[in-house]
Amino acid sequence: NAGVTQTPKFRVLKTGQSMTLLCAQDMNHEYMYWYRQDPGMGLRLIHYSVGEGTTAKGEVPDGYNVSRLKKQNFLLGLESAAPSQTSVYFCASTVGGHHYEQYFGPGTRLTVT
Amino acid sequence: GESVGLHLPTLSVQEGDNSIINCAYSNSASDYFIWYKQESGKGPQFIIDIRSNMDKRQGQRVTVLLNKTVKHLSLQIAATQPGDSAVYFCAENPGGSNYKLTFGKGTLLTVNP
Repeated sequence: NAGVTQTPKFRVLKTGQSMTLLCAQDMNHEYMYWYRQDPGMGLRLIHYSVGEGTTAKGEVPDGYNVSRLKKQNFLLGLESAAPSQTSVYFCASTVGGHHYEQYFGPGTRLTVT
Repeated sequence: GESVGLHLPTLSVQEGDNSIINCAYSNSASDYFIWYKQESGKGPQFIIDIRSNMDKRQGQRVTVLLNKTVKHLSLQIAATQPGDSAVYFCAENPGGSNYKLTFGKGTLLTVNP
């Protein structure tokens, strides 16, 4: 199993450009999450999904949109990138039930100039 | 030690020593706690977890202690090795059915040979 994968690994955008980050998991997990990580800070939840076709806002959702059309994929979109969105983005998933541990992807480093 | 809301603290130990990383949490409703290790350039990796009905749990070379009275969590690493050098995050599930985690800002552990 590959676990949680993210594409791309790195990206540089100009202010105002758009892009989509792809997260895929092959563990049949029900729950998926997008976080951002900034220097000296912990992980902050952007959006999450409790199942295929559902999404919900996290702690810092402004400027981002998400979609979960298939159970194994969770997409994070930036419609009009801003320098404040320069960050490392992590995707995670968890099976639910009696299990709370989240499994993380390797991250996407995004720079907005 | 770390706390949800404080700057990233650091801990420097000698190889072979025991390490103790601390974490304070604020939500008395949290019923699940977890420690992650994050190496440079990688995603967080699950280390160990503990539920609120326990006060101690042991893994391989790691022990997590939970003191609900003072809302304190600690991670003990025995015989610390250079490969243990990383940022360590504690996280809590504040209750609810979405399996969300709230992360602390992390502690940087440096192991000196």
